[in-house]
Amino acid sequence: NAGVTQTPKFRVLKTGQSMTLLCAQDMNHEYMYWYRQDPGMGLRLIHYSVGEGTTAKGEVPDGYNVSRLKKQNFLLGLESAAPSQTSVYFCASSFGTSGYEQYFGPGTRLTVT
Amino acid sequence: AQKITQTQPGMFVQEKEAVTLDCTYDTSDQSYGLFWYKQPSSGEMIFLIYQGSYDEQNATEGRYSLNFQKARKSANLVISASQLGDSAMYFCAPPCSGNTPLVFGKGTRLSVIA
Repeated sequence: NAGVTQTPKFRVLKTGQSMTLLCAQDMNHEYMYWYRQDPGMGLRLIHYSVGEGTTAKGEVPDGYNVSRLKKQNFLLGLESAAPSQTSVYFCASSFGTSGYEQYFGPGTRLTVT
Repeated sequence: AQKITQTQPGMFVQEKEAVTLDCTYDTSDQSYGLFWYKQPSSGEMIFLIYQGSYDEQNATEGRYSLNFQKARKSANLVISASQLGDSAMYFCAPPCSGNTPLVFGKGTRLSVIA
């Protein structure tokens, strides 16, 4: 059982470049999330989705866009990367919110130079 | 928004000893859940334990248990018989209800000393 997978695992971008991070889950979860984790910090929620076709802003949404066209996939886009977006990005999914644990992907390490 | 506070940036514990990691939260909800996650140096996030606000007993999961004090709005994680493999970051995730997603605390780095 694959659980939550993220593509790619590592990426280096130059300032101004764009990229898309892909998150896929095979657990039929309704809820999906994108977090960023900076060195020595906790996780901060970027965007989340409560179901196919829906997205919502989290704590730090600026500079990112997301789409949930299919229930199993949640895409995170950076249209014009900035050095401040250098971070480790985690995707997670859950069956619900209250009382349901989140299952995390392995993370994507992004460096913007 | 829900608020979570983990006041201990770093903790040390001797192997085989017990350790308590603090977590306090702020919520006006009557029904909610609390989560603890572990993040080892390899980076993955691992679910440890969950406490529901209406659970009559403190949650336990192997060597992990929660000291849940609802009136004080605290849910401290107790790790008994610490092992070297327990060295990691530990995150408390605050009460969530309805469609409110988890917002994690800043974490506590636990180091287990042989």
